[in-house]
Amino acid sequence: GAGVSQSPSNKVTEKGKDVELRCDPISGHTALYWYRQRLGQGLEFLIYFQGNSAPDKSGLPSDRFSAERTGESVSTLTIQRTQQEDSAVYLCASSSPPGNEKLFFGSGTQLSVL
Amino acid sequence: DQQVKQNSPSLSVQEGRISILNCDYTNSMFDYFLWYKKYPAEGPTFLISISSIKDKNEDGRFTVFLNKSAKHLSLHIVPSQPGDSAVYFCAASSINQAGTALIFGKGTTLSVSS
Repeated sequence: GAGVSQSPSNKVTEKGKDVELRCDPISGHTALYWYRQRLGQGLEFLIYFQGNSAPDKSGLPSDRFSAERTGESVSTLTIQRTQQEDSAVYLCASSSPPGNEKLFFGSGTQLSVL
Repeated sequence: DQQVKQNSPSLSVQEGRISILNCDYTNSMFDYFLWYKKYPAEGPTFLISISSIKDKNEDGRFTVFLNKSAKHLSLHIVPSQPGDSAVYFCAASSINQAGTALIFGKGTTLSVSS
């Protein structure tokens, strides 16, 4: 497709379960980002992939969070042993140099942990 | 510690008037600034940007002003339209620090009434 695609759009899970969120970036975009937005909060940076470089994981809130990206394509964000405070909209974005700063966002995955 | 601050969580403006959204930053390494607009249930979309070598950038009804000495930028929308009602995020990055992600503020919700 032409834009960043995220799936699922909505995910309801029970506390303690693992979840996996998927992001398909725009074809050819070398940079991929995960952000999250909790209710009433701004966009919180989680992790950033740029080409074959080591990812910037400085935003991951705990070791329950991890993300992978295969080459310059799909990325998955995994949250293990989910907690209620993990409930948020998880947004994926991609970009391509030059203008690496202009991000194209997906519509997000609304995660609700009961 | 927030590096990008949007101190006004909301702003209400009448149609046809000017909307001014403000943003402050603390990191003097930031040299590229962007505004994103977000509608409910959608991902943020890029609106306008400015490099630190400029103090103003204009695109139609949208103008961004940058005051480097004050570490302050603002987005002016004139004339404001009801369709401009959305959450506006300020974001910053450092071009010279390759491999760093955009840092976003918490957003300002703009409501334009007709």
